[in-house]
Amino acid sequence: DVKVTQSSRYLVKRTGEKVFLECVQDMDHENMFWYRQDPGLGLRLIYFSYDVKMKEKGDIPEGYSVSREKKERFSLILESASTNQTSMYLCASSLLGLDYGYTFGSGTRLTVV
Amino acid sequence: TQLLEQSPQFLSIQEGENLTVYCNSSSVFSSLQWYRQEPGEGPVLLVTVVTGGEVKKLKRLTFQFGDARKDSSLHITAAQPGDTGLYLCRVKAAGNKLTFGGGTRVLVKP
Repeated sequence: DVKVTQSSRYLVKRTGEKVFLECVQDMDHENMFWYRQDPGLGLRLIYFSYDVKMKEKGDIPEGYSVSREKKERFSLILESASTNQTSMYLCASSLLGLDYGYTFGSGTRLTVV
Repeated sequence: TQLLEQSPQFLSIQEGENLTVYCNSSSVFSSLQWYRQEPGEGPVLLVTVVTGGEVKKLKRLTFQFGDARKDSSLHITAAQPGDTGLYLCRVKAAGNKLTFGGGTRVLVKP
């Protein structure tokens, strides 16, 4: 069964900590995405990558960075976590081309205290 | 800025009833996808529509893409508790801008 795996379902971090969210996909997909999902705001794109070592800013990249050293792995980094980054973070992957559907991971619920 | 609206925001119905949810915009889409997200999980792709006027069926779910490609609807016949979830539309608009709607939360009570 093909899937996208996010390393943690729940995380609690302190303000100012550096936080790493990991995502791995086993479908050989070129595209990978990081979204955050907040009540009333829907899914907002943070960053995406269409190839190894390539990254593009989404709609809300401030306070985040990403790393894609291998095709199957896409990491989201919160350089200095803040309380307004408390959210559900969703990773997704797709074939190259924007008409393909996404396969999402189960999400990481991050709480910054 | 593209405005993408899903309506209603919340819908509660009894098992066996029908329901329709909508995804509307003032902009033309080149493609539209519908996803369902169950509590505690990521969204799962249901369908992709690309042609104006297109109708697709998936068991009890019927998806329609408007003729002008600015709107879409999802109709569920004889809803079941397993249809409970957050229904999201995602569009690709001019400039390859990808946007998700805010979603419609559906609760089907047994």
